[in-house]
Amino acid sequence: AQSVTQPDARVTVSEGASLQLRCKYSSSVTPYLFWYVQYPRQGLQLLLKYYSGDPVVQGVNGFEAEFSKSNSSFHLRKASVHWSDSAVYFCAVSMRAGNTRKLIFGLGTTLQVQP
Amino acid sequence: DTTVKQNPRYKLARVGKPVNLICSQTMNHDTMYWYQKKPNQAPKLLLFYYDKILNREADTFEKFQSSRPNNSFCSLYIGSAGLEYSAMYLCASSRDRGTQYFGPGTRLLVL
Repeated sequence: AQSVTQPDARVTVSEGASLQLRCKYSSSVTPYLFWYVQYPRQGLQLLLKYYSGDPVVQGVNGFEAEFSKSNSSFHLRKASVHWSDSAVYFCAVSMRAGNTRKLIFGLGTTLQVQP
Repeated sequence: DTTVKQNPRYKLARVGKPVNLICSQTMNHDTMYWYQKKPNQAPKLLLFYYDKILNREADTFEKFQSSRPNNSFCSLYIGSAGLEYSAMYLCASSRDRGTQYFGPGTRLLVL
């Protein structure tokens, strides 16, 4: 069965600092991987996705993530965070469900950016 | 346009009363999903429609109903709300097993 682990429940960084949010997945096949962000009182917004090819994928707002098959990881990075990046970040893996696919989410990492 | 809409955005319900939440998309997506999101928990898939076929997750099978009268609309129905149903309900849609796009969510509070 596929699963996702986000080992850090909360991360606090200073504005302008670099960021890495960790995600480990478990899958018997090469997975489809996603990062979503949830701002307060809002739904989930897609940051980036990985299907295949270049292991480093670029997303919105300066975010990128790197897929590592050997480490079963898909860590999210940003070179310089802004206070508006404060939110909850979810890593997810897509698994086949009949004729379609469904997402399995991690518990999320709450990012707090301090001024 | 990758907009998924949900109505209402906020819903107050009484224990034992029914609740009906609505989701719509105009992207001609073949699959529509409903997730339940509680604080400090991962979004939990409740059910999804692939075209006209409803698939409900095993542990929520009897708690939620849904209908999809056409390709654009999908509802989530709770026959008798309990306190444990208080959560954010997220609708999403996708096409050809691709990326899921989420709506803004409906925050349900059951009193």
